[in-house]
Amino acid sequence: GENVEQHPSTLSVQEGDSAVIKCTYSDSASNYFPWYKQELGKRPQLIIDIRSNVGEKKDQRIAVTLNKTAKHFSLHITETQPEDSAVYFCAASRPNSGYSTLTFGKGTMLLVSP
Amino acid sequence: NAGVTQTPKFRVLKTGQSMTLLCAQDMNHEYMYWYRQDPGMGLRLIHYSVGEGTTAKGEVPDGYNVSRLKKQNFLLGLESAAPSQTSVYFCASSYSIRDGYTFGSGTRLTVV
Repeated sequence: GENVEQHPSTLSVQEGDSAVIKCTYSDSASNYFPWYKQELGKRPQLIIDIRSNVGEKKDQRIAVTLNKTAKHFSLHITETQPEDSAVYFCAASRPNSGYSTLTFGKGTMLLVSP
Repeated sequence: NAGVTQTPKFRVLKTGQSMTLLCAQDMNHEYMYWYRQDPGMGLRLIHYSVGEGTTAKGEVPDGYNVSRLKKQNFLLGLESAAPSQTSVYFCASSYSIRDGYTFGSGTRLTVV
């Protein structure tokens, strides 16, 4: 099955800095890579996703890049704000292979200090 | 439009007791999932369903059973609770296997 590794497990930045979270996956057939944000005590919420036919996707201050050759993808947050503080999860799946589910990384706790 | 609703939100069980967690979605989603979340372990899939009347095992299915008698509901059962099942349980749904998930607000279960 798929295995997703996520680094770092914790990340502390100053407000206004950029933050980068990296994930690697094991199944070369995976082609859907979402990112979820989970604030303390809340549910995970989808913030951005990318499919294997594109290398980069942006949405305001967040972007995701995908390198299929190296089997890794990254979340980039620019101009971080205290409200970006949360746990971020990456995930991978291969929806074209019949029944499929998301395999999640173990999460990165991002702390943005004012 | 409530999205995905989980009940109860909190529960304390004694070892050996049984209970059922209910997940309901009003988005007409075909796919539904149960995950557990433990510190440092991320989200691990327990069981999932690809449509009414279907269920399948995920990564950590032991000690749990599920049923999907109606498209909008996905039930997770613990027949004989154990302390190792202390966790936060999240239900999720998606329209298809090509879409991201919508999560419920979670159930915090403590087994003593």
